[in-house]
Amino acid sequence: GQSLEQPSEVTAVEGAIVQINCTYQTSGFYGLSWYQQHDGGAPTFLSYNALDGLEETGRFSSFLSRSDSYGYLLLQELQMKDSASYFCAVRSRFYNQGGKLIFGQGTELSVKP
Amino acid sequence: NAGVTQTPKFRILKIGQSMTLQCTQDMNHNYMYWYRQDPGMGLKLIYYSVGAGITDKGEVPNGYNVSRSTTEDFPLRLELAAPSQTSVYFCASSSGTHTKDTQYFGPGTRLTVL
Repeated sequence: GQSLEQPSEVTAVEGAIVQINCTYQTSGFYGLSWYQQHDGGAPTFLSYNALDGLEETGRFSSFLSRSDSYGYLLLQELQMKDSASYFCAVRSRFYNQGGKLIFGQGTELSVKP
Repeated sequence: NAGVTQTPKFRILKIGQSMTLQCTQDMNHNYMYWYRQDPGMGLKLIYYSVGAGITDKGEVPNGYNVSRSTTEDFPLRLELAAPSQTSVYFCASSSGTHTKDTQYFGPGTRLTVL
């Protein structure tokens, strides 16, 4: 089976840096994805790590360590609009499973002025 | 491109009623998915499809059925609605490539069963 753990809530101030961690247990693993979801909205893709290391996309970076079954999302220069829920998701390695994602419970990020 | 569209946006059902949630994508994606999201929780996979005519169960398939007769459409059928099916339902699609595979989500259907 697969399970993911991430903190339920994180609070930070505007302009700061925040890190959201994700640990996973999985019997088959292809990569770790991150999605953002604003209240009442649809999830939107942020980042994907198939290999160990850091992926950077603007203010957002994501890191993966397969040996530690651990990843994180790093948000820099926080803005009020970054207040949202952030989900890590493990992608099944089995092609016949359609690349399906197993999502964590989500981390609610609150950015304060 | 409209991306992934879902109808209806909101629906209230009585216990025991049935309904179909519609999902259409115009990106020619082979892979489509149905998720449910309960308040304050992550997304749980209900069913998925890797192409027209092929569907398979996800984590929480009980009480639901799907079909995939075309690449574009992936309707989700609820038979005999129960209060436990009150949730927000998201449809998603992806190209299915093994590298940077992104799932694109529809706006969701908010369903209440009373």
